Amino acid sequence: SQQGEEDPQALSIQEGENATMNCSYKTSINNLQWYRQNSGRGLVHLILIRSNEREKHSGRLRVTLDTSKKSSSLLITASRAADTASYFCATFTGGGNKLTFGTGTQLKVEL
Amino acid sequence: EPEVTQTPSHQVTQMGQEVILRCVPISNHLYFYWYRQILGQKVEFLVSFYNNEISEKSEIFDDQFSVERPDGSNFTLKIRSTKLEDSAMYFCASSPTGGGEKLFFGSGTQLSVL
Repeated sequence: SQQGEEDPQALSIQEGENATMNCSYKTSINNLQWYRQNSGRGLVHLILIRSNEREKHSGRLRVTLDTSKKSSSLLITASRAADTASYFCATFTGGGNKLTFGTGTQLKVEL
Repeated sequence: EPEVTQTPSHQVTQMGQEVILRCVPISNHLYFYWYRQILGQKVEFLVSFYNNEISEKSEIFDDQFSVERPDGSNFTLKIRSTKLEDSAMYFCASSPTGGGEKLFFGSGTQLSVL
């Protein structure tokens, strides 16, 4: 499998519910980031968590990182219709500048 | 808020033609990137650029591709002889520092090769 794979591929929830997306990766990382992409638009950075951190919060976002399992999760609490977008994890492994993006989770929040 | 701008938003070209995609990164940023996304698929790294030279490139970034920072503000991606499989959304990104810090993306150029 590839560095950075999200699951589920697609998620549909009702407004007000929580949405959880997962990301798994293969190699050791320096940091892991989550980005959001509205349909046909560029990616917007949401949150960065470093390899020595286990949990991070930003507003309604909560990110966890488990380096022993090589996995991360993004939780969006009290979702809104405006949260409808694709969410990508991206990993930085060091020794360069590139971020490697995962396959993305398409989130749909219905009214 | 400063943003990365890309032009054009859409580009249609014939197979074999050269295209230049343009980007204006955020003014005090030092690291520049091109990524591409084929419809519905993952975002793929093409190249990173720092201090007027390529710092890293992917297998996709073959001899048909080149990047340039012709002046203090623009950052361009040139595809010399386009192929059908080059059809994708191309994103420019920049960051003030390297080392895997967050990237600021433009809205993309949708390239269609006919």
